[in-house]
Amino acid sequence: DAGITQSPRHKVTETGTPVTLRCHQTENHRYMYWYRQDPGHGLRLIHYSYGVKDTDKGEVSDGYSVSRSKTEDFLLTLESATSSQTSVYFCAISSGGLTLRTSSYEQYFGPGTRLTVT
Amino acid sequence: RKEVEQDPGPFNVPEGATVAFNCTYSNSASQSFFWYRQDCRKEPKLLMSVYSSGNEDGRFTAQLNRASQYISLLIRDSKLSDSATYLCVVSTMEYGNKLVFGAGTILRVKS
Repeated sequence: DAGITQSPRHKVTETGTPVTLRCHQTENHRYMYWYRQDPGHGLRLIHYSYGVKDTDKGEVSDGYSVSRSKTEDFLLTLESATSSQTSVYFCAISSGGLTLRTSSYEQYFGPGTRLTVT
Repeated sequence: RKEVEQDPGPFNVPEGATVAFNCTYSNSASQSFFWYRQDCRKEPKLLMSVYSSGNEDGRFTAQLNRASQYISLLIRDSKLSDSATYLCVVSTMEYGNKLVFGAGTILRVKS
């Protein structure tokens, strides 16, 4: 299994409080991603990073910010948590490399963080 | 229209059966294709990449039809341990190789 950890694994917080989720990798991969998974929506990209201090928005970035000060860590912050941000959050990593057969960019996922905003 | 569409199932099959899942995608610029497996309350895990020429990994066979924008996964000799949700996934070069996920197909293999 890819060396990806997420912390915390579970969190309950109140509306309006800031929350930071951490993703840590030991694979030295360039790309890191934050997704959220909700029933009926599948996984959706929040933000991603293509290198240290290089980040960009995904399709559902409103209300979230990220930072990447080291290759191995990618932080997701909910500035002021809302009930609509109750979800399961997955971090993923990718080397963004090429294989002999295809430009295949497999992503590998961390175990997830279950966040409940009350 | 969703970018990646799958039949949600569930597919209920007996052990030893052969089962096939299909998936269609709407973005003709999609570059890479995958099947992921997700167990209940767990992270998605890469099952296999899907290559243009089709590929096989043990009991699993994946096919890609770029002209029809269609991907399939065939599972032979189903095992109880194959019970999971199977996610069809495509990627483009936008959003740093963003993955677009289908909502998943539920497979239940019964003894």
